[in-house]
This record gives sequence, C-alpha cells and structure tokens, in this order.
Amino acid sequence: KQEVTQIPAALSVPEGENLVLNCSFTDSAIYNLQWFRQDPGKGLTSLLLIQSSQREQTSGRLNASLDKSSGRSTLYIAASQPGDSATYLCAGQGGSEKLVFGKGMKLTVNP
Amino acid sequence: AAGVIQSPRHLIKEKRETATLKCYPIPRHDTVYWYQQGPGQDPQFLISFYEKMQSDKGSIPDRFSAQQFSDYHSELNMSSLELGDSALYFCASSFTRQSTDTQYFGPGTRLTVL
Repeated sequence: KQEVTQIPAALSVPEGENLVLNCSFTDSAIYNLQWFRQDPGKGLTSLLLIQSSQREQTSGRLNASLDKSSGRSTLYIAASQPGDSATYLCAGQGGSEKLVFGKGMKLTVNP
Repeated sequence: AAGVIQSPRHLIKEKRETATLKCYPIPRHDTVYWYQQGPGQDPQFLISFYEKMQSDKGSIPDRFSAQQFSDYHSELNMSSLELGDSALYFCASSFTRQSTDTQYFGPGTRLTVL
C-alpha cells in the first residue's frame, strides 16, 4: 500500500529564499508523482507532474525531481514570494489509477 | 482552456438528507475520479470511472453511489448524510485511465451537513 509523507508540516520563511519541499513514498513502483498547490478553502492546482521515466520537471521558478530508488521527490521554489504562500501537496500514482496524497506542507512566505 | 466543472460549488444539507454532486470533465477526457477532503485532511480517493464503467474504488461509504453518463459527466449521489460527510469533494479528469496521465482537478464542491 502506497504511503506518502511530507515533512515538515509547515514552514515559514522570509521572502526571497530558495525553498526545498520534501515528499517521500513507500512504494517505488510509482508511475508518476504530482505536486499540487492548494489555497485555503480552494481547489487543487496541479503544478508539476513527473513521470517515472523522468527525473525532473521545471516550470518557471518551480523545479521538481523524482528519485524512485530512494522513494523521494523534491519541489524547489526559487526566490520565494508572498504569493507562494499556500499548502503544497504531493501525490503518487502507482499501478492503480488513484492518487495517494501526502498531508501537505503549509508554506508561509513573509514579506 | 476548458477545465473540470463541478456543481454546485457550495451545498448545505441537513442530516439524513440526500445530495447530488455533478462533475463535467475536460472535453475528450474519458476518465473521472472523485476525491473527498475532510477539514484539515489530505484528499482521499473515493471512486473512478472509465468509459462509463466503474474502474477503481476506494474508501467510499455504501451510502454513496456514483455513475458516469454517456456524455462522460459524472454524478456522486450521497444519501443519509452524516455530519462527518462535511468535506470538500473534488472531481478530476484525465485523457485516459493510464497512470502516466495527469489528473486535472475541478474547484470542488463544499458540502456542509448540519
């Protein structure tokens, strides 16, 4: 059974810092790993999807990497801004179709 | 670009009532997923449909049922509502059921059971 863990649960940083968000998963038989952003009370916005054959994906200031052998994915946020404040969730998809989510990391970027 | 549409966006019901949530996938997407996110929780998979047939099932209560129609929209029917059913219900769609396909999420329906 796939389990996804995100540590820490919350992070508060000053504006401008480069950030590393961690995600670990227990089952290395993973087909893809997806990172989402969720604002309070809002829906899920897909940020990046990394397929198992890929090692990383980039979009603007975001870069996500996937290391299946170690069961880890990392989301890098460069030059953080107050607008980046949100909860970030990672989700893994294995042989079944469902996404298994981590509990998320609440990010606060202070101006 | 067209996104996943969910209706209603907000729904308030009393205990023991029924509720129907609707999901309209992105055009040409044939796979629909339903997730439930309780307060302060991560989204939990409920059920999915591919080409109008149920394809996977998660922790969906027996009081809930769902189906996908010929136009690929899906409805989640919830009966005998309980206080614990209060949550944000997300629908997602993907181009196919392959695990390599991105699931695109709708804005969610916030259900409050009083």
